[in-house]
Amino acid sequence: QQQVRQSPQSLTVWEGETAILNCSYENSAFDYFPWYQQFPGEGPALLISILSVSNKKEDGRFTIFFNKREKKLSLHIADSQPGDSATYFCAASPGANTGKLTFGHGTILRVHP
Amino acid sequence: AQTIHQWPVAEIKAVGSPLSLGCTIKGKSSPNLYWYWQATGGTLQQLFYSITVGQVESVVQLNLSASRPKDDQFILSTEKLLLSHSGFYLCAWGPQNTLYFGAGTRLSVL
Repeated sequence: QQQVRQSPQSLTVWEGETAILNCSYENSAFDYFPWYQQFPGEGPALLISILSVSNKKEDGRFTIFFNKREKKLSLHIADSQPGDSATYFCAASPGANTGKLTFGHGTILRVHP
Repeated sequence: AQTIHQWPVAEIKAVGSPLSLGCTIKGKSSPNLYWYWQATGGTLQQLFYSITVGQVESVVQLNLSASRPKDDQFILSTEKLLLSHSGFYLCAWGPQNTLYFGAGTRLSVL
């Protein structure tokens, strides 16, 4: 059972465009949603996160939009840069359940110059 | 600042051979530690976690074992490797739900 789903599997955008990565979940108990960025051959790094009490979280060019009713969230990367090319993982966990993160399968983002 | 170091960076091993991967955390006392496995192009699967020395919880049975011999050290091992063990092994530490990953160990089982 895939509790966290991501779409699309891969995405290609031009430099300067906004990339939109989608995520949905099934478990109503999930209330913490981090996004991780992973470059080839490296470990994932926390990019931005949101709690379910919020519907939007912004950090520079990265914005999470969250819809609790529909159990959906999305990561928007504005003014995409070639250096943003990476795999992005959406994850979810129930409250302060330490380390109980469930990851999606990731979206491979390619930004063409 | 906390640092996490994994070793080795990469391994090529034969089926049936033993394996030991290590992870060390510096700059953080009593961290929660985790082992994750990632198939090529795949998602991250949590294997083990440990909240204190000597205590390790298994999340997924993959014919692997883990130990925490020291507060800052986490070891992943097996006595007999399978082809299915190939992949990327990641150690992580975390306060609450934020995980900080190491650079990983690439394992190829032939």
